[in-house]
Amino acid sequence: KQEVTQIPAALSVPEGENLVLNCSFTDSAIYNLQWFRQDPGKGLTSLLLIQSSQREQTSGRLNASLDKSSGRSTLYIAASQPGDSATYLCAVLGNSGGGADGLTFGKGTHLIIQP
Amino acid sequence: DTAVSQTPKYLVTQMGNDKSIKCEQNLGHDTMYWYKQDSKKFLKIMFSYNNKELIINETVPNRFSPKSPDKAHLNLHINSLELGDSAVYFCASSLLGVGTEAFFGQGTRLTVV
Repeated sequence: KQEVTQIPAALSVPEGENLVLNCSFTDSAIYNLQWFRQDPGKGLTSLLLIQSSQREQTSGRLNASLDKSSGRSTLYIAASQPGDSATYLCAVLGNSGGGADGLTFGKGTHLIIQP
Repeated sequence: DTAVSQTPKYLVTQMGNDKSIKCEQNLGHDTMYWYKQDSKKFLKIMFSYNNKELIINETVPNRFSPKSPDKAHLNLHINSLELGDSAVYFCASSLLGVGTEAFFGQGTRLTVV
């Protein structure tokens, strides 16, 4: 059974710092890995999608890497801003059953960027 | 245009009632999902459904049932609501077997009193 772990559970840093969020998963048989952002009381916003054959994806100040063999992904946020404050969720899509089992989520990293 | 939309956004109801949450996607995806986010904010898959197969998470009580009138809609029916059903329910969609990006609705906050 796939398990996804995110470290740290919470992080508070001053504005402007570069930071790294970590995600690990136990079963490397995945289609892809997705990073989401969730603001309080809101839905999930997809940030980056990395296919199992890819090593990294970039979008603006965000860079996500994937090492499928070791079951790890990192989300790098450059030059953090107060607007980046949110909960960041990592999720993997297993490839058994053609991906029909849905995403397995980590418990998230609650990020606070201090102005 | 909203890609995945859910209604209602908030739902407050009494124990024992039956309720439904509606979900629609306009992305042309062939697979839709229901996820539950509990009070500790942990998201877990409840169902995935395409026009061929329904996959049910074994931990979901049979009081919960998905109903799909067509490929663009997947509604969630809940019978005999219990206090422990209070949570935020998210609908999502994607293309099965291709590993494409999953898109989520804004969630329905269900409170059972």
